This record gives sequence, structure tokens and C-alpha cells, in this order.
Amino acid sequence: GAGVSQSPRYKVTKRGQDVALRCDPISGHVSLYWYRQALGQGPEFLTYFNYEAQQDKSGLPNDRFSAERPEGSISTLTIQRTEQRDSAMYRCASSLGARTSPYEQFFGPGTRLTVL
Amino acid sequence: ELKVEQNPLFLSMQEGKNYTIYCNYSTTSDRLYWYRQDPGKSLESLFVLLSNGAVKQEGRLMASLDTKARLSTLHITAAVHDLSATYFCAVDTQENSGGSNYKLTFGKGTLLTVNP
Repeated sequence: GAGVSQSPRYKVTKRGQDVALRCDPISGHVSLYWYRQALGQGPEFLTYFNYEAQQDKSGLPNDRFSAERPEGSISTLTIQRTEQRDSAMYRCASSLGARTSPYEQFFGPGTRLTVL
Repeated sequence: ELKVEQNPLFLSMQEGKNYTIYCNYSTTSDRLYWYRQDPGKSLESLFVLLSNGAVKQEGRLMASLDTKARLSTLHITAAVHDLSATYFCAVDTQENSGGSNYKLTFGKGTLLTVNP
């Protein structure tokens, strides 16, 4: 069956440009999460949606980062005016719902963002 | 702030040997997860532990949870080369906003290398 998909898989951009990263969750999954993973580290929470509602954006580093999930399925993470420190692997995960067994989050392959 | 600590961070084992990875967390948690990550790949869910005393086993891996000690262990029995990977534990916490957010906080990961 189809897992979580993300696009693009690799993105190289110049400092100051905007980028949009896309996540397509597993069909039927209510909850969608965005994480950022630095090399040699565990993923770090950015933001979370239940259906189309953004429930928590406390992990977004600053106001250049935003996310949306307008129809409760596909989500887009947008980074405006990119900086070199934004370079990382951005991972999306989805789950049936935070209160629904088996609870676990299924991760996508990630988008490797490089800001030159 | 929830903290998740894994040790060791690096583990080099010989095939056939047994070893344990430890995961300590700092606050009360609802659930504990173990993930595996192969180099350049996404995270694969291994176990979800839901209650004190929970034990789950899959092949040569066994995970347990002691919520009183805020400790989970991942025990490796008779290691084989195929188990070489980075193993992450993660904890989710119910936010105070009505319990609707179960973001994961990850440890730094344990890089396991199994040598012939």
C-alpha cells in the first residue's frame, strides 16, 4: 500500500528564495506532522494538523515558516526568504489520529533542503 | 520541557552477542515508540509501548517500558549484521490544550554497528 509521500525529494535553492515542500499522507490518516531532522540527530517537531486544523505550531522556528493543510489531506510547508541555517531534512508523518490505535506515526522519505 | 536521553549513542557489537539500548525520559508520558532508521532512509516504526510493564518482541528485538522509572529498553539478542542501523526512541506527551496534540520528542539515536 502507499505510504507517506513527499516532494520534491531534493531541493537546492539560493538564499532568500521561497520554497514549498509537499506532503501526501496515507489515505484516511487524520493527523499530519512536520518534523525537521539534522544530520546525526532525531527528528524535531515543527507543527501538527488534525484534519485541516493546525493544532500546534510551537516548533516552527520563526515566522518565515508556515504550513497549511486546506482540505485535510495534502499539506504544504513553506519557508520564505530561506537562509543557510534552514538546510536540513524535512520529514512529514501521518497517523490515524492521536487518540486512535495503533497511534504510531508513519514517516515519509523526507525532502532534503539545501540553501546555498 | 520533555527530554529524552538514549545511551549509548554509539554501539559496536559482534554478531551473536546480546546488548541493550536504554531510553530515559524526563516527564510523564502516554506512549513510547522505537523507530529504526537505515542510512539515507526514512524512519521505520518498530514498537509502540502503551503501559507500564509493556513488553513487545519482534525477531531479535525486544522492547520494554517502565513508566515509574521513565525508562524503556531495547534488547538485542544474538545480533546479526542486518540489525545495523540507527535506533531512536520517542515519547509523546499530551499537551494541555485539551489533549489533542501528541507530538513526538525523539532521543538522539543509537548508531548500532554489528560486525561479523
